[in-house]
Amino acid sequence: DAGVIQSPRHEVTEMGQEVTLRCKPISGHDYLFWYRQTMMRGLELLIYFNNNVPIDDSGMPEDRFSAKMPNASFSTLKIQPSEPRDSAVYFCASSLSGRTNEQFFGPGTRLTVL
Amino acid sequence: QQQVKQSPQSLIVQKGGISIINCAYENTAFDYFPWYQQFPGKGPALLIAIRPDVSEKKEGRFTISFNKSAKQFSLHIMDSQPGDSATYFCAASIVFGNEKLTFGTGTRLTIIP
Repeated sequence: DAGVIQSPRHEVTEMGQEVTLRCKPISGHDYLFWYRQTMMRGLELLIYFNNNVPIDDSGMPEDRFSAKMPNASFSTLKIQPSEPRDSAVYFCASSLSGRTNEQFFGPGTRLTVL
Repeated sequence: QQQVKQSPQSLIVQKGGISIINCAYENTAFDYFPWYQQFPGKGPALLIAIRPDVSEKKEGRFTISFNKSAKQFSLHIMDSQPGDSATYFCAASIVFGNEKLTFGTGTRLTIIP
């Protein structure tokens, strides 16, 4: 398996623009997580899905952020409009429910909002 | 009650020495305690994990020590090597019914020659 795939790997945009981050989880995994990582706040859970259904979005910072999972093999995290304080590395992770909660992380998308 | 507190924030250890990172939790319902390792430019990856029915788990040079009564657990890296230089995150979760991991704030470990 190729692991969790994220695109793009790097995104530079201007304030006010819409940004869409994409994630393909590991095939067969039923949980998908979106995280944001910054030096100041560490690794923050934004939202997670189980069987394509959002379970907990309490970590989404504000209404400018939205996430969807239209099917088991694809998820998006959208920021509209983007702001400089959204600059961070965004990770997607997936896991398979069962005996352990091991999450497999993607390589991340480094977002810079100018 | 959902927090996991991790210390130190950064750690410098000489090659061959022992690296120790500590974590504490409040939620007694947590029953799975993993450590993740993250190299620059990469996503975190599971390093080692423990369930609360044992007090210690060892995998190679990496050992988790778990103290259920104190609600603390720690990562020990024996014979630390430059290749161990990375950021380490502890985490905790409830295995069944809630797949969410609560992460600590991370420890940046640097192994010097």
